[in-house]
Parts: sequence; C-alpha cells; structure tokens
Amino acid sequence: AQSVTQLGSHVSVSEGALVLLRCNYSSSVPPYLFWYVQYPNQGLQLLLKYTTGATLVKGINGFEAEFKKSETSFHLTKPSAHMSDAAEYFCAVSTSGTYKYIFGTGTRLKVLA
Amino acid sequence: NAGVTQTPKFRVLKTGQSMTLLCAQDMNHEYMYWYRQDPGMGLRLIHYSVGEGTTAKGEVPDGYNVSRLKKQNFLLGLESAAPSQTSVYFCASRSPTLTEEELFFGEGSRLTVL
Repeated sequence: AQSVTQLGSHVSVSEGALVLLRCNYSSSVPPYLFWYVQYPNQGLQLLLKYTTGATLVKGINGFEAEFKKSETSFHLTKPSAHMSDAAEYFCAVSTSGTYKYIFGTGTRLKVLA
Repeated sequence: NAGVTQTPKFRVLKTGQSMTLLCAQDMNHEYMYWYRQDPGMGLRLIHYSVGEGTTAKGEVPDGYNVSRLKKQNFLLGLESAAPSQTSVYFCASRSPTLTEEELFFGEGSRLTVL
C-alpha cells in the first residue's frame, strides 16, 4: 500500500528565506511523485513531478524537489520565498499504469513580510 | 482552453435534499475523478472513471453516486444530503498516456448541508 506523510500542517517563513516543505512516502513499487499547489478558493495545480530519470526536478515559480529513494523523501524547496508563494501545498504519490493517487494532508505556507 | 469546469461553484442544501455536481473536461481525457477536501484530511477519492460508461468506488463512496455517460462529463450525485457531506468537491482528469501522469483539477464546488 502507498502512503504520503507531510510533516508540518503549517509552515511560516520570512520573505526571502528558504522554503522547505517535507514529504515522505511509502511505496512497494517505484513511485511517481508530485507536488501540487492550491491558492485560496482555487483548484490544485501541478508544481512539479518525478516519474523517472533525474532525481532533482525543477518546477514552476522557482520550486524544485529531490527524489531520495534511500530516505523515501521528496521534499519541496525554494531558495527565496515570495509573498505570492503563500498557499497550500500537497504532495502525492502514484505508480505507473495505475489510476490511483494518494495525497498528503497538505502544508499551508505563510510568508511573512 | 477551459480545462476542467465544475458547476455549480457554491450550493447550500438542507438535510435530505438531493443534488448533482457536473464536471466537464475538454482535454479528451479518459480518466476522471471526484475528490472531497476537508480541513486536515487532504483529498480523498470518492469515485473515479477510466472511460465512458465505467465508474468505480474510491475510498469514501458512501452517500454518493456517479455517472459517465459521455467521455467529457462526470456527474457526482448526492441522493439524500447529510451534514457530513459539507465539503469542497474537486473534479480532476488525466490522460492515460504513461508520460502524462498528472491530474488536472477544476476550481472546486463548495457544498454546505444544513
């Protein structure tokens, strides 16, 4: 069975500071991993994904994530937070050829001026 | 390009009333999903469909029914609404192509059951 754990339901950072949102997964088969962002009163949109190949994945808005198999992690980072990054972020896991996605419970990012 | 469109965006129901949420996608996607989002619980899958005329249960299907009569539409029905069904509902779709794994989401439908 697959599962996703996001550590920290709320994270606050100062504008310009490093953003680090944590995601750990459990999967018995090679996972596909995703980060989605949800702005207030909107649907989820894809930030980045890892399927195969390079383990460091770059996404939109300056975000990136690194797939670390040994640590079963897929943490999301951004070197310098911007006020517009304030949103809720969801990590999700899937596998090739299946319909099923497992979402984490989300991390709400607050950016302080 | 509209993507995934959900209607209505907001609805208030009384306990016991019925309603249908409509999801329409214009990307010719085979797979469609209905999720509910509740605080602290992330997204939970209600029902999904892998093609026209097919539907299947997700992890929280009780109290909901779905239909996929046309490839582009996926309907979610509540036959007798309960306060526990107060939530934000999201429809999503994806291509079955192995290189296009991500979900595309609608903007959500906020349902309140009194």
